[in-house]
Amino acid sequence: DTVLTQSPALAVSPGERVTISCRASESVSTGMHWYQQKPGQQPKLLIYGASNLESGVPARFSGSGSGTDFTLTIDPVEADDTATYFCQQSWNDNTFGAGTKLELK
Amino acid sequence: QVQLKESGPGLVQPSETLSLTCTVSGFSLTSYSVSWVRQPSGKGPEWMGRMWYDGDTAYNSALKSRLSISRDTSKNQVFLKMNSLQTDDTGTYYCTREEDYYFDYWGQGVMVTVSS
Repeated sequence: DTVLTQSPALAVSPGERVTISCRASESVSTGMHWYQQKPGQQPKLLIYGASNLESGVPARFSGSGSGTDFTLTIDPVEADDTATYFCQQSWNDNTFGAGTKLELK
Repeated sequence: QVQLKESGPGLVQPSETLSLTCTVSGFSLTSYSVSWVRQPSGKGPEWMGRMWYDGDTAYNSALKSRLSISRDTSKNQVFLKMNSLQTDDTGTYYCTREEDYYFDYWGQGVMVTVSS
């Protein structure tokens, strides 16, 4: 299985820029997707194909990367962005990362 | 609009079989694939398996021996059956619509607890 590694938690101030990383144990090309999950809710798709913004998602969110290293960037961060962010790869079957919990200072 | 809704029992006895139904609206099961994804509390999601738009199925190799996914297109429903449940199968189970191998719409989820 392709293992996706994410840092467990980040804390930033509103208005700042934050990058959330996801590293794959083997190349997944651009088959990487990002989701936001707030407590008690289902995950919500933000970015697909590494860098494509899902319709309706604010342009403050962006994605980049290919191969094994990927980044989700939020710029600027707003209070409503407090959530856990998961990456998912679809190149080698489907696996998810354990999530990065984003907190605002 | 696109909607998916999971239904099924919230409590299952160890060693028994879980049966869940996903009822969809706003799209056709013959045009889009539907996957089941589960998530233990406080952990990352796990892809379980897929009902392809053409009626074929695909399963997570770790669950394949216990899992079966089927559908009834006339009722816009996709079904999940998983046998020999254990306590580590406890979590929230979601059905999702797939678009090119990513999950663009999710149901609200159903919480399943495996306990005697």
